[in-house]
Amino acid sequence: AQSVTQLDSHVSVSEGTPVLLRCNYSSSYSPSLFWYVQHPNKGLQLLLKYTSAATLVKGINGFEAEFKKSETSFHLTKPSAHMSDAAEYFCVYSPGGYNKLIFGAGTRLAVHP
Amino acid sequence: NAGVTQTPKFQVLKTGQSMTLQCAQDMNHEYMSWYRQDPGMGLRLIHYSVGAGITDQGEVPNGYNVSRSTTEDFPLRLLSAAPSQTSVYFCASSRGTDRSSYEQYFGPGTRLTVT
Repeated sequence: AQSVTQLDSHVSVSEGTPVLLRCNYSSSYSPSLFWYVQHPNKGLQLLLKYTSAATLVKGINGFEAEFKKSETSFHLTKPSAHMSDAAEYFCVYSPGGYNKLIFGAGTRLAVHP
Repeated sequence: NAGVTQTPKFQVLKTGQSMTLQCAQDMNHEYMSWYRQDPGMGLRLIHYSVGAGITDQGEVPNGYNVSRSTTEDFPLRLLSAAPSQTSVYFCASSRGTDRSSYEQYFGPGTRLTVT
């Protein structure tokens, strides 16, 4: 079955240190991949997306992600965490077709002073 | 543009009651969908629509009905509420089925409690 796995349910970092949120997906010929962020009691907002163009994708708020086909991974990174980055992050995978999206279970990012 | 709007923001129902969650978008998007969000499970697709008059089931459709009479509106009906339907419900829309159109725009959510 097609799936996406977020390898960490919780990640805790100090402000100013790098952020790494890990995501693996089940293999697909030509997937689309996304990262969404959800701040408390808010809807989801798109951070970045990969749709078969450049493998290093830059998003909003300094986040980026690298598509690695050989590893079926799409990890999200940021060089320096800010307190406002504290939120839940969802890796989302689309194997293709009518906008079918498969959500990971989410990673809750905590940022400490 | 208001984007995707949902009403109500909060709702408490008793078991067996019915209700409709409203969703509207003003971006002329073809594709609309409903998700439920439960702790530790991400979002799961309930129903979706690829255009007015066309709907289809997602991953967890049981207990829910939808219709799409206009491009703008996509209401979700709970026929007979059950405690298992306690969740946060999100409506989303996107421009179409093109790969470049895959960005989903989400509403703010409806928090539903069934007692």
